[in-house]
Amino acid sequence: GQQVQQSPASLVLQEGENAELQCNFSTSLNSMQWFYQRPGGSLVSLFYNPSGTKQSGRLTSTTVIKERRSSLHISSSQTTDSGTYLCAMESASSGSWQLIFGSGTQLTVMP
Amino acid sequence: EAAVTQSPRSKVAVTGGKVTLSCHQTNNHDYMYWYRQDTGHGLRLIHYSYVADSTEKGDIPDGYKASRPSQENFSLILELASLSQTAVYFCASSDRGRNSDYTFGSGTRLLVI
Repeated sequence: GQQVQQSPASLVLQEGENAELQCNFSTSLNSMQWFYQRPGGSLVSLFYNPSGTKQSGRLTSTTVIKERRSSLHISSSQTTDSGTYLCAMESASSGSWQLIFGSGTQLTVMP
Repeated sequence: EAAVTQSPRSKVAVTGGKVTLSCHQTNNHDYMYWYRQDTGHGLRLIHYSYVADSTEKGDIPDGYKASRPSQENFSLILELASLSQTAVYFCASSDRGRNSDYTFGSGTRLLVI
């Protein structure tokens, strides 16, 4: 089965509203990362968060390893936040490291 | 500035033809990866490498080969391109062992007709 599950698959907000994106993983992992994918393709790393809470501006990531979940909170959303948010878990397989992605949350922020 | 550069940016290939996607990194990272992304989906790992002259299979390696001739370069090869391989392909590098910094290229849009 899928090792990383993201929810919701899509989300539409009015500018100024908050968003909570969830990621659940089914196997043991080393760390969780969050990426933003711009419309048109390239990925930008938002957080490397093995555990606990990290904040950067309006974004907050919280990872709870023993509950196998991570969340990304976006406060006071802006239209420029629109795009796809991907979580990815890093795990070891056969002695080497891999980054396994969820299917993403498509966020649309309306003006 | 450290970066991951992919070429070409886009390509149209004929079914049954050979396609080579190239990736070059200046991050001095040991790990390099090839992922594919289908519309509306996350990224799936095809092949990866953690040292030059060695490659490993990811989750979906069938129909793909990889080559890592040097630390900086990592290629993905489709010997016999098929319609189902139409996708966007991303290369990434990682400094696994430090703080797991992953840097992604801008992607290659491949259309197989």
